[in-house]
Amino acid sequence: DTGVSQDPRHKITKRGQNVTFRCDPISEHNRLYWYRQTLGQGPEFLTYFQNEAQLEKSRLLSDRFSAERPKGSFSTLEIQRTEQGDSAMYLCASSPQTSTGELFFGEGSRLTVL
Amino acid sequence: DAKTTQPNSMESNEEEPVHLPCNHSTISGTDYIHWYRQLPSQGPEYVIHGLTSNVNNRMASLAIAEDRKSSTLILHRATLRDAAVYYCILRPLNNAGNMLTFGGGTRLMVKP
Repeated sequence: DTGVSQDPRHKITKRGQNVTFRCDPISEHNRLYWYRQTLGQGPEFLTYFQNEAQLEKSRLLSDRFSAERPKGSFSTLEIQRTEQGDSAMYLCASSPQTSTGELFFGEGSRLTVL
Repeated sequence: DAKTTQPNSMESNEEEPVHLPCNHSTISGTDYIHWYRQLPSQGPEYVIHGLTSNVNNRMASLAIAEDRKSSTLILHRATLRDAAVYYCILRPLNNAGNMLTFGGGTRLMVKP
């Protein structure tokens, strides 16, 4: 399967711990997006990369959140000092630069903070 | 950004057509109308998009009102696999990064 892959699919952690999620986009896609989705809500935009440059960040992305895409391929999303409110599904999507808006999403990484 | 309004939930019978409405009365002339759906325990998937004219693809049809203040996603024959949350999203033409703003969507339930 050559779709967007995310790892891990599930993560349970204790409050205060750091967690990191990885996203591998579709190989020819130079745009990569992170979204967060809580139960019963639609996905909320967090941040977006074009190649290795982080071009947009939502106000939702607090100082405890950091995202990187060092070589313009895979990306990581790290959450430091997790809080219970961080419990959510973290979704990654990718698209080619020429896209008219079609994003390809992964299956997400579900975070539970105890 | 312009806002969309969708019913929270709808029910359909298997093998019957489904019409999912979306109101976007504050749409601007350069906003594209996108539809995505999210099956249980999966990420959203693209369904269809359009600007002014009706659009058809292998998954669905998109009917856009003449004044563009509303649109309807049409599933011609619902299957159990179509049970999902359907999101209607407006994407401004000048949204160079193609970021999408999701609302709450419509949860479609399909009865056998």
